[in-house]
Amino acid sequence: KNEVEQSPQNLTAQEGEFITINCSYSVGISALHWLQQHPGGGIVSLFMLSSGKKKHGRLIATINIQEKHSSLHITASHPRDSAVYICAVMELDDKIIFGKGTRLHILP
Amino acid sequence: GAVVSQHPSRVICKSGTSVKIECRSLDFQATTMFWYRQFPKQSLMLMATSNEGSKATYEQGVEKDKFLINHASLTLSTLTVTSAHPEDSSFYICSARGGWGGFRNTIYFGEGSWLTVV
Repeated sequence: KNEVEQSPQNLTAQEGEFITINCSYSVGISALHWLQQHPGGGIVSLFMLSSGKKKHGRLIATINIQEKHSSLHITASHPRDSAVYICAVMELDDKIIFGKGTRLHILP
Repeated sequence: GAVVSQHPSRVICKSGTSVKIECRSLDFQATTMFWYRQFPKQSLMLMATSNEGSKATYEQGVEKDKFLINHASLTLSTLTVTSAHPEDSSFYICSARGGWGGFRNTIYFGEGSWLTVV
């Protein structure tokens, strides 16, 4: 079993829809990152969370430390949001474990 | 703006040659830098951890003589892929951990580098 599980693996939605991507982990962590990777492009760091909730534009990230779960939400999704979204957790010894990513495709 | 700059973002090299990828921390001093590799449709995997001024610690299965890591200063780490082969074609990304002040113990990611060996 992977220590970091993301769901869904693939998601296709219509423009404007509210998107939720989930990340569950099984280890103790000091922080959790959400990353965005466009096809053939680089990595963009979206959020780093250790508790609660953060918002940046149309993106919202939440984390529940007790439940070992985080969600990334996209409101009013747009085709340019199409990318792979990666959850990465930083263990207490600074080791980072990456999820396999969620491939999001927003249709116009 | 980015706090970790990785260069080049894309590089194509001939088989048998060496290629260097740089990872710079901007506006902060990185006591530790990490290098990762991602093969198609797989997770990012840690290759090595480097602390400034000391030898890098490589993960099991990563050839240290092939992937040379230098962390000569608190703002720069380099990964050199020596005698590159097509199977080394991959996405390489670095991350840096700040050591002091507001950056202390925070990890920042570079944008990544796509390496194609032909």
